[in-house]
Amino acid sequence: AQKVTQAQTEISVVEKEDVTLDCVYETRDTTYYLFWYKQPPSGELVFLIRRNSFDEQNEISGRYSWNFQKSTSSFNFTITASQVVDSAVYFCALSEQDSNYQLIWGAGTKLIIKP
Amino acid sequence: DAGVIQSPRHEVTEMGQEVTLRCKPISGHDYLFWYRQTMMRGLELLIYFNNNVPIDDSGMPEDRFSAKMPNASFSTLKIQPSEPRDSAVYFCASSLGYAGNTIYFGEGSWLTVV
Repeated sequence: AQKVTQAQTEISVVEKEDVTLDCVYETRDTTYYLFWYKQPPSGELVFLIRRNSFDEQNEISGRYSWNFQKSTSSFNFTITASQVVDSAVYFCALSEQDSNYQLIWGAGTKLIIKP
Repeated sequence: DAGVIQSPRHEVTEMGQEVTLRCKPISGHDYLFWYRQTMMRGLELLIYFNNNVPIDDSGMPEDRFSAKMPNASFSTLKIQPSEPRDSAVYFCASSLGYAGNTIYFGEGSWLTVV
């Protein structure tokens, strides 16, 4: 079973629409960390957010927001009023003691924002 | 502040040639990681260092791959001899601390072996 599942392989929306990228994780640890990274077409990996398992508070950063729900083992990412520059592959990742804290990556969701 | 710096950004080489990828981590970071990204396998951790010492190289695919970190501000990943299946994007990354700490990535080195 995959430890980090990003079920949406590709999402395409029109600019200004809101879009949510799903991330479901699996761990036995009580202390763990979740991350989102962005990989734009230029190829670099850009860190977006880190969350530890004890902090379920949702976070908002500009047009970006994250919903962490331990009850459903999900850490979803929403972009509000999407823009063409948001087009990228977005990766969710898990760091847990059981895996020696090495990042376990989801397969990524390719987000296409059409003008 | 400067991020992780990698060179070269792009490299095209012939099969059998030696390839050396270079990395300068973020100043003050004590962990350095080498990752490889391919379409088939996604992101794979090859090796990581703590305070210049290799900690886990279990991800290094075979003896053709080697990595060194002679000092806190420089690391190399070497492939000798290179093969077409080594074509990938190689990322260097660094972090301050390890367990669950944020790992910051460089822009990647795009390697094509023909």
